Amino acid sequence: NAGVMQNPRHLVRRRGQEARLRCSPMKGHSHVYWYRQLPEEGLKFMVYLQKENIIDESGMPKERFSAEFPKEGPSILRIQQVVRGDSAAYFCASSPLRDGGYEKLFFGSGTQLSVL
Amino acid sequence: KQEVTQIPAALSVPEGENLVLNCSFTDSAIYNLQWFRQDPGKGLTSLLLIQSSQREQTSGRLNASLDKSSGRSTLYIAASQPGDSATYLCAVSGAGSYQLTFGKGTKLSVIP
Repeated sequence: NAGVMQNPRHLVRRRGQEARLRCSPMKGHSHVYWYRQLPEEGLKFMVYLQKENIIDESGMPKERFSAEFPKEGPSILRIQQVVRGDSAAYFCASSPLRDGGYEKLFFGSGTQLSVL
Repeated sequence: KQEVTQIPAALSVPEGENLVLNCSFTDSAIYNLQWFRQDPGKGLTSLLLIQSSQREQTSGRLNASLDKSSGRSTLYIAASQPGDSATYLCAVSGAGSYQLTFGKGTKLSVIP
């Protein structure tokens, strides 16, 4: 059983470029969460998605950031026109179908984004 | 707004020692509390999850306790080993919420 797969592991972008981060949840998991870890900070919730639906994006910056989880394929976190402040580790987590309660999250290894 | 604090920020102990990591949270209306281990380049691994109705959970050499009324949790590691060296994160989820609020972690170094 493969775990949560994130790629790339490391991504370097110049200011103004676009960054695309991919996340394939564990098999059988239909819920995906994105968290960001800034240097010297704790992980912060960004967005929660189910297949073809954004459930909660309250942690996403209002501009330049978007996320999707299509019917087929991985979840994508897209950052347009990156700035140096976007440099961080971005973690994806997945969980199985919730029965109304909190399900244990399984985290990927993260993507380290560096903006030059 | 929930805030999670972990003390100490870093800890260095000789191999074989028992140790305690502390976590405190400001809003006691939590659904559960989870301890994670974070290794460089390897993401997060869930260690223990304590539901709000529980007082403690145990797994091997790890024991986590929860005192919801005082907003505190401790992670006890018995007979520490060099392989325990990592950053330990505490996270809470609010009642009815799936969002986890994380502390900044305690970086543990176990010296052989």
